[in-house]
Amino acid sequence: SSELTQDPAVSVALGQTVRITCQGDSLRSYYASWYQQKPGQAPVLVIYGKNNRPSGIPDRFSGSSSGNTASLTITGAQAEDEADYYCNSRDSSGNHLEVFGTGTKVTVL
Amino acid sequence: QVQLQQWGAGLLKPSETLSLTCAVYGGSFSGYYWSWIRQPPGKGLEWIGEINHSGSTNYNPSLKSRVTISVDTSKNQFSLKLSSVTAADTAVYYCARALEYSSSGRPYRVHYFDYWGQGTLVTVSS
Repeated sequence: SSELTQDPAVSVALGQTVRITCQGDSLRSYYASWYQQKPGQAPVLVIYGKNNRPSGIPDRFSGSSSGNTASLTITGAQAEDEADYYCNSRDSSGNHLEVFGTGTKVTVL
Repeated sequence: QVQLQQWGAGLLKPSETLSLTCAVYGGSFSGYYWSWIRQPPGKGLEWIGEINHSGSTNYNPSLKSRVTISVDTSKNQFSLKLSSVTAADTAVYYCARALEYSSSGRPYRVHYFDYWGQGTLVTVSS
């Protein structure tokens, strides 16, 4: 089955920009979706498709994709953006399986 | 507004069967995939499996031999059963709704989980 690889942790100064990447073969066929998870809470969808934000997600969150890599960018990071972020896509095997990325802990300094 | 509300036993003994149910309020049941996802304490998300409104299922190969996901469309509910649990199955379990469609160009497909349940902590301990 496919794997999605993320950097374990990144830090960003308040108000600066941070990019989180997700790599995997399945991303050549499926757009990654991105989820924010704060301690003790369920994950929340922040980006899906080419670069779509659900209602209520600030426009400082954006997504992009190239080849086998998807990226989530937070432009002007806020203290409340400190969280774990997971990417996700279908498996590229064609068996309708799912795979989640390993997760990235974002710390806002 | 769509809401997923889940419930089930939170404490199990080894070898017992985990049983959780997720009710869907405020939206259609058809046209979506309904998944179970779990997260062991301090670890990442693991997909368990999914079902659609017609009962077609897909399971994580690592859990397939122990997992059954079923649906009751009359109640807009779907359920998870995981047999022969061990301490390794201790996790927060989430139900979630997924949508999938084709896109123009590459990548070809869009898939995402747009609504999640509140999560249920299931602890397996003797």
